[in-house]
Amino acid sequence: KAGVTQTPRYLIKTRGQQVTLSCSPISGHRSVSWYQQTPGQGLQFLFEYFSETQRNKGNFPGRFSGRQFSNSRSEMNVSTLELGDSALYLCASSPYWDSYEQYFGPGTRLTVT
Amino acid sequence: GQNIDQPTEMTATEGAIVQINCTYQTSGFNGLFWYQQHAGEAPTFLSYNVLDGLEEKGRFSSFLSRSKGYSYLLLKELQMKDSASYLCAVKGTYKYIFGTGTRLKVLA
Repeated sequence: KAGVTQTPRYLIKTRGQQVTLSCSPISGHRSVSWYQQTPGQGLQFLFEYFSETQRNKGNFPGRFSGRQFSNSRSEMNVSTLELGDSALYLCASSPYWDSYEQYFGPGTRLTVT
Repeated sequence: GQNIDQPTEMTATEGAIVQINCTYQTSGFNGLFWYQQHAGEAPTFLSYNVLDGLEEKGRFSSFLSRSKGYSYLLLKELQMKDSASYLCAVKGTYKYIFGTGTRLKVLA
């Protein structure tokens, strides 16, 4: 089985711009979670989608949004980028929304200048 | 509040045993997880505890005490490839909460 894929792997954006990141889960997995990882804060939960519905949300501002498509692929959008949004964005795939198994993708490294 | 604490860094010698501790305070508890993350790579799942006690998987074991809000990851017969960050995470009522990770350096 192919693993979780994320595109793009690296991205450089300017303050004020917006960005869209994509995640394709493992085939058959229907839940996708997004995380932000920074050296100081570690891994922080952004949101989780299951069957095209947002099930849970972390404590991030409304500039961070996401969606899931019928094929379980998910996108994450960050609008009005700030320098502090520079981070590794990880997507994790699970079979179901309450499954304990999580398989992480390689991440997208976002740099905001 | 919700909080997970683990040491920032540990050093051990090849062939030795190391224990990485994790204490947590979360609203709701649906399991405690340990992940390994090599530099520049994604976290990979190591272990899952939902009941008190020890879970053993090869060279890796994980222990949980829910009443104390405490877990540890035990790595035996350390190898150089075990040099990585080890993340403790708790699945709360609605989401996962991760610690900032323990960076383990294995010396020859």
